[in-house]
Amino acid sequence: AQSVTQLGSHVSVSEGALVLLRCNYSSSVPPYLFWYVQYPNQGLQLLLKYTSAATLVKGINGFEAEFKKSETSFHLTKPSAHMSDAAEYFCAVSDLDTGRRALTFGSGTRLQVQP
Amino acid sequence: DAGITQSPRHKVTETGTPVTLRCHQTENHRYMYWYRQDPGHGLRLIHYSYGVKDTDKGEVSDGYSVSRSKTEDFLLTLESATSSQTSVYFCAISVPGTGEGYEQYFGPGTRLTVT
Repeated sequence: AQSVTQLGSHVSVSEGALVLLRCNYSSSVPPYLFWYVQYPNQGLQLLLKYTSAATLVKGINGFEAEFKKSETSFHLTKPSAHMSDAAEYFCAVSDLDTGRRALTFGSGTRLQVQP
Repeated sequence: DAGITQSPRHKVTETGTPVTLRCHQTENHRYMYWYRQDPGHGLRLIHYSYGVKDTDKGEVSDGYSVSRSKTEDFLLTLESATSSQTSVYFCAISVPGTGEGYEQYFGPGTRLTVT
């Protein structure tokens, strides 16, 4: 079985500062990993995904994430925060070993951007 | 836009009443999912479907049933709603990703309140 841990339920940064949202996973097989963003009262939007092609993955809105197998981590970063980045972010891992293609989600990190 | 709609978008119902939520997709993808979102828990899988009349349970399936009589529609039923089923419900589809693997796309959600 797989699981995801997101460290920090709330993160606050200043506009223009580095954004770092942490995600650690547990999986019995090489994972697919995803980051989603959710704006208030909306559904989830895919930011980026890791399959196996490259360990540094670039996504939309200037976000990127690095897969580190030795640390079982997939942290999300953005060099310079913008006010529009304020949202909740979810890390998720796929269950490739069951064939369901379902995702197991972390509990989410709410990002606040201060002016 | 993944072409996923959910209805209703908001519903208030009383304890003990049956409730059916509908998910509709426009692109005939095989895999469909129902998740519920609760604070501190991220999203959790209720049921999923891998084809017409082919469904299976997820991690939090107690009190829920599903049906899929057409490729485009996936219904979630609460047979007798309880207050613990107050939540936001998301439908998702799995589609082949760009490059390797697959991706999940989510509908806008249904906010259900059981009083």
